[in-house]
Amino acid sequence: GENVEQHPSTLSVQEGDSAVIKCTYSDSASNYFPWYKQELGKRPQLIIDIRSNVGEKKDQRIAVTLNKTAKHFSLHITETQPEDSAVYFCAASEPVGGYGGSQGNLIFGKGTKLSVKP
Amino acid sequence: DTGVSQDPRHKITKRGQNVTFRCDPISEHNRLYWYRQTLGQGPEFLTYFQNEAQLEKSRLLSDRFSAERPKGSFSTLEIQRTEQGDSAMYLCASSLFLAGASYEQYFGPGTRLTVT
Repeated sequence: GENVEQHPSTLSVQEGDSAVIKCTYSDSASNYFPWYKQELGKRPQLIIDIRSNVGEKKDQRIAVTLNKTAKHFSLHITETQPEDSAVYFCAASEPVGGYGGSQGNLIFGKGTKLSVKP
Repeated sequence: DTGVSQDPRHKITKRGQNVTFRCDPISEHNRLYWYRQTLGQGPEFLTYFQNEAQLEKSRLLSDRFSAERPKGSFSTLEIQRTEQGDSAMYLCASSLFLAGASYEQYFGPGTRLTVT
Protein backbone atom coordinates (compact mmCIF):
# COMPACT_ATOMS: atom_id res chain seq x y z
CA GLY A 1 0.00 0.00 0.00
CA GLU A 2 0.85 3.66 -0.18
CA ASN A 3 3.31 5.25 2.26
CA VAL A 4 3.85 9.00 2.58
CA GLU A 5 6.91 10.55 4.21
CA GLN A 6 6.92 14.23 5.15
CA HIS A 7 9.80 16.54 6.05
CA PRO A 8 10.64 18.49 8.08
CA SER A 9 8.59 17.69 11.16
CA THR A 10 9.05 21.25 12.46
CA LEU A 11 9.85 24.44 10.60
CA SER A 12 10.40 27.89 12.02
CA VAL A 13 10.64 30.94 9.77
CA GLN A 14 10.59 34.71 10.11
CA GLU A 15 7.54 36.56 8.92
CA GLY A 16 7.92 37.37 5.25
CA ASP A 17 10.23 34.46 4.51
CA SER A 18 9.28 31.45 2.42
CA ALA A 19 8.52 27.98 3.77
CA VAL A 20 8.90 24.70 1.90
CA ILE A 21 7.56 21.34 3.03
CA LYS A 22 8.39 18.17 1.14
CA CYS A 23 6.67 14.82 0.82
CA THR A 24 7.51 11.57 -0.91
CA TYR A 25 5.15 8.76 -1.76
CA SER A 26 5.73 5.13 -2.60
CA ASP A 27 2.94 4.05 -4.94
CA SER A 28 3.43 5.29 -8.48
CA ALA A 29 -0.30 4.71 -9.11
CA SER A 30 -1.25 7.52 -6.71
CA ASN A 31 -2.76 10.36 -8.67
CA TYR A 32 -4.11 12.96 -6.24
CA PHE A 33 -2.10 14.96 -3.70
CA PRO A 34 -3.85 17.39 -1.35
CA TRP A 35 -2.39 19.55 1.39
CA TYR A 36 -4.27 20.26 4.61
CA LYS A 37 -3.69 22.90 7.27
CA GLN A 38 -4.70 22.07 10.82
CA GLU A 39 -4.73 24.65 13.57
CA LEU A 40 -4.68 23.52 17.16
CA GLY A 41 -7.96 21.88 18.12
CA LYS A 42 -9.51 22.40 14.70
CA ARG A 43 -10.38 20.27 11.70
CA PRO A 44 -7.95 19.76 8.81
CA GLN A 45 -8.68 22.29 6.09
CA LEU A 46 -7.83 21.72 2.45
CA ILE A 47 -5.57 24.52 1.23
CA ILE A 48 -4.43 23.27 -2.16
CA ASP A 49 -4.28 20.06 -4.15
CA ILE A 50 -2.70 18.75 -7.32
CA ARG A 51 -3.50 15.89 -9.64
CA SER A 52 -0.95 13.78 -11.42
CA ASN A 53 -1.61 15.30 -14.84
CA VAL A 54 -0.04 18.65 -13.85
CA GLY A 55 3.35 19.58 -12.43
CA GLU A 56 2.54 22.76 -10.56
CA LYS A 57 -0.41 24.65 -9.16
CA LYS A 58 -0.51 28.04 -7.51
CA ASP A 59 -3.05 29.88 -5.41
CA GLN A 60 -1.93 33.31 -4.24
CA ARG A 61 0.91 32.74 -1.73
CA ILE A 62 0.66 28.95 -1.87
CA ALA A 63 2.01 26.66 -4.55
CA VAL A 64 2.41 22.92 -4.90
CA THR A 65 4.82 21.13 -7.23
CA LEU A 66 4.74 17.48 -8.23
CA ASN A 67 7.53 15.33 -9.63
CA LYS A 68 5.97 12.03 -10.67
CA THR A 69 9.24 10.49 -11.74
CA ALA A 70 10.83 11.05 -8.35
CA LYS A 71 7.52 10.51 -6.55
CA HIS A 72 7.70 13.65 -4.49
CA PHE A 73 5.64 16.79 -4.09
CA SER A 74 6.20 20.00 -2.19
CA LEU A 75 4.26 22.85 -0.64
CA HIS A 76 5.66 26.36 -1.01
CA ILE A 77 4.36 29.25 1.06
CA THR A 78 5.73 32.68 0.20
CA GLU A 79 5.59 35.87 2.27
CA THR A 80 4.68 33.92 5.38
CA GLN A 81 2.45 35.53 7.98
CA PRO A 82 1.91 34.63 11.66
CA GLU A 83 -1.53 33.24 10.78
CA ASP A 84 0.19 30.64 8.60
CA SER A 85 1.41 29.00 11.82
CA ALA A 86 -0.21 25.56 12.01
CA VAL A 87 0.45 21.90 11.29
CA TYR A 88 0.48 21.08 7.60
CA PHE A 89 -0.25 17.59 6.28
CA CYS A 90 0.41 16.22 2.84
CA ALA A 91 -1.55 13.24 1.56
CA ALA A 92 -1.69 10.91 -1.39
CA SER A 93 -4.59 8.97 -2.80
CA GLU A 94 -4.52 5.78 -4.76
CA PRO A 95 -6.95 5.20 -7.57
CA VAL A 96 -9.79 2.88 -6.74
CA GLY A 97 -9.91 -0.19 -8.92
CA GLY A 98 -13.06 -0.49 -10.92
CA TYR A 99 -13.93 3.18 -10.59
CA GLY A 100 -12.08 4.59 -13.56
CA GLY A 101 -9.08 5.70 -11.54
CA SER A 102 -10.85 8.02 -9.15
CA GLN A 103 -9.21 8.45 -5.79
CA GLY A 104 -10.41 6.77 -2.64
CA ASN A 105 -9.02 7.20 0.82
CA LEU A 106 -6.13 9.51 1.66
CA ILE A 107 -2.81 8.40 3.12
CA PHE A 108 -1.35 11.21 5.20
CA GLY A 109 2.16 12.20 6.15
CA LYS A 110 2.99 12.80 9.81
CA GLY A 111 2.72 16.55 9.52
CA THR A 112 4.96 19.62 9.70
CA LYS A 113 4.53 22.13 12.49
CA LEU A 114 5.17 25.53 10.95
CA SER A 115 5.89 28.48 13.21
CA VAL A 116 6.06 31.95 11.71
CA LYS A 117 7.74 34.44 14.01
CA PRO A 118 6.66 38.07 13.76
CA ASP B 1 -23.61 25.56 8.71
CA THR B 2 -23.45 23.50 5.54
CA GLY B 3 -20.15 21.76 6.34
CA VAL B 4 -19.52 18.30 7.74
CA SER B 5 -20.80 17.95 11.30
CA GLN B 6 -20.01 15.36 13.95
CA ASP B 7 -21.64 14.46 17.22
CA PRO B 8 -20.64 14.36 20.01
CA ARG B 9 -17.59 16.57 19.96
CA HIS B 10 -16.17 14.94 23.07
CA LYS B 11 -16.77 11.57 24.64
CA ILE B 12 -15.26 10.17 27.82
CA THR B 13 -15.94 6.53 28.49
CA LYS B 14 -14.70 3.76 30.69
CA ARG B 15 -12.75 0.85 29.25
CA GLY B 16 -15.06 -1.89 28.11
CA GLN B 17 -17.99 0.35 27.28
CA ASN B 18 -19.46 0.78 23.80
CA VAL B 19 -19.55 4.17 22.09
CA THR B 20 -21.21 5.44 18.93
CA PHE B 21 -20.35 8.53 16.93
CA ARG B 22 -22.36 10.23 14.24
CA CYS B 23 -21.28 12.10 11.12
CA ASP B 24 -23.47 14.23 8.87
CA PRO B 25 -21.73 14.92 5.55
CA ILE B 26 -22.19 17.86 3.22
CA SER B 27 -25.64 17.22 1.80
CA GLU B 28 -24.74 16.64 -1.85
CA HIS B 29 -21.71 14.47 -1.07
CA ASN B 30 -22.11 10.78 -1.76
CA ARG B 31 -18.78 9.62 -0.32
CA LEU B 32 -18.12 9.56 3.41
CA TYR B 33 -14.83 8.66 5.10
CA TRP B 34 -13.79 7.90 8.67
CA TYR B 35 -10.27 8.63 9.89
CA ARG B 36 -8.58 8.42 13.27
CA GLN B 37 -5.97 10.93 14.45
CA THR B 38 -3.74 10.61 17.47
CA LEU B 39 -1.63 13.40 18.92
CA GLY B 40 1.22 14.42 16.66
CA GLN B 41 0.15 12.18 13.80
CA GLY B 42 -1.68 12.60 10.55
CA PRO B 43 -5.17 11.18 10.11
CA GLU B 44 -5.26 7.42 9.50
CA PHE B 45 -7.88 6.00 7.19
CA LEU B 46 -10.43 3.63 8.74
CA THR B 47 -13.21 3.10 6.21
CA TYR B 48 -15.30 4.79 3.56
CA PHE B 49 -18.73 4.62 1.95
CA GLN B 50 -20.15 5.51 -1.38
CA ASN B 51 -23.81 6.11 -0.77
CA GLU B 52 -24.79 3.27 1.57
CA ALA B 53 -22.12 0.83 0.38
CA GLN B 54 -19.00 0.37 2.50
CA LEU B 55 -16.29 0.16 -0.15
CA GLU B 56 -13.09 -0.20 1.82
CA LYS B 57 -11.93 -0.97 5.35
CA SER B 58 -8.45 -0.47 6.72
CA ARG B 59 -6.58 -3.22 8.50
CA LEU B 60 -6.61 -0.77 11.43
CA LEU B 61 -10.33 -1.38 11.76
CA SER B 62 -10.55 -4.26 14.21
CA ASP B 63 -13.65 -6.39 14.71
CA ARG B 64 -14.65 -4.09 17.56
CA PHE B 65 -15.24 -1.28 15.10
CA SER B 66 -18.29 -1.12 12.86
CA ALA B 67 -19.56 1.62 10.63
CA GLU B 68 -22.85 2.09 8.85
CA ARG B 69 -24.43 4.53 6.47
CA PRO B 70 -27.92 3.06 6.19
CA LYS B 71 -29.60 5.57 3.90
CA GLY B 72 -26.56 7.01 2.22
CA SER B 73 -26.73 10.19 4.27
CA PHE B 74 -25.38 10.26 7.83
CA SER B 75 -23.01 7.61 9.13
CA THR B 76 -22.33 6.06 12.52
CA LEU B 77 -19.11 4.59 13.83
CA GLU B 78 -19.44 2.22 16.78
CA ILE B 79 -16.61 0.96 18.94
CA GLN B 80 -17.43 -2.00 21.15
CA ARG B 81 -15.54 -2.92 24.31
CA THR B 82 -13.41 0.21 24.17
CA GLU B 83 -9.72 0.02 25.07
CA GLN B 84 -7.38 2.79 26.19
CA GLY B 85 -5.63 2.57 22.82
CA ASP B 86 -8.85 3.69 21.17
CA SER B 87 -8.40 7.18 22.65
CA ALA B 88 -8.05 9.49 19.65
CA MET B 89 -9.79 12.08 17.53
CA TYR B 90 -12.24 10.42 15.12
CA LEU B 91 -12.61 12.50 12.00
CA CYS B 92 -15.25 12.22 9.33
CA ALA B 93 -14.84 13.61 5.83
CA SER B 94 -17.07 13.74 2.79
CA SER B 95 -16.60 14.24 -0.92
CA LEU B 96 -18.49 14.16 -4.17
CA PHE B 97 -18.00 11.31 -6.61
CA LEU B 98 -19.42 12.13 -10.00
CA ALA B 99 -18.97 10.76 -13.51
CA GLY B 100 -15.99 8.65 -12.53
CA ALA B 101 -14.12 11.41 -10.72
CA SER B 102 -13.68 12.09 -7.02
CA TYR B 103 -13.40 15.57 -5.65
CA GLU B 104 -11.95 17.17 -2.56
CA GLN B 105 -12.51 15.69 0.88
CA TYR B 106 -13.82 18.08 3.51
CA PHE B 107 -13.40 17.23 7.16
CA GLY B 108 -15.70 17.57 10.12
CA PRO B 109 -14.58 18.92 13.51
CA GLY B 110 -14.03 15.44 14.90
CA THR B 111 -15.11 13.54 17.99
CA ARG B 112 -12.45 13.32 20.67
CA LEU B 113 -12.68 10.01 22.49
CA THR B 114 -11.01 9.48 25.85
CA VAL B 115 -11.09 5.97 27.29
CA THR B 116 -10.29 5.85 31.00
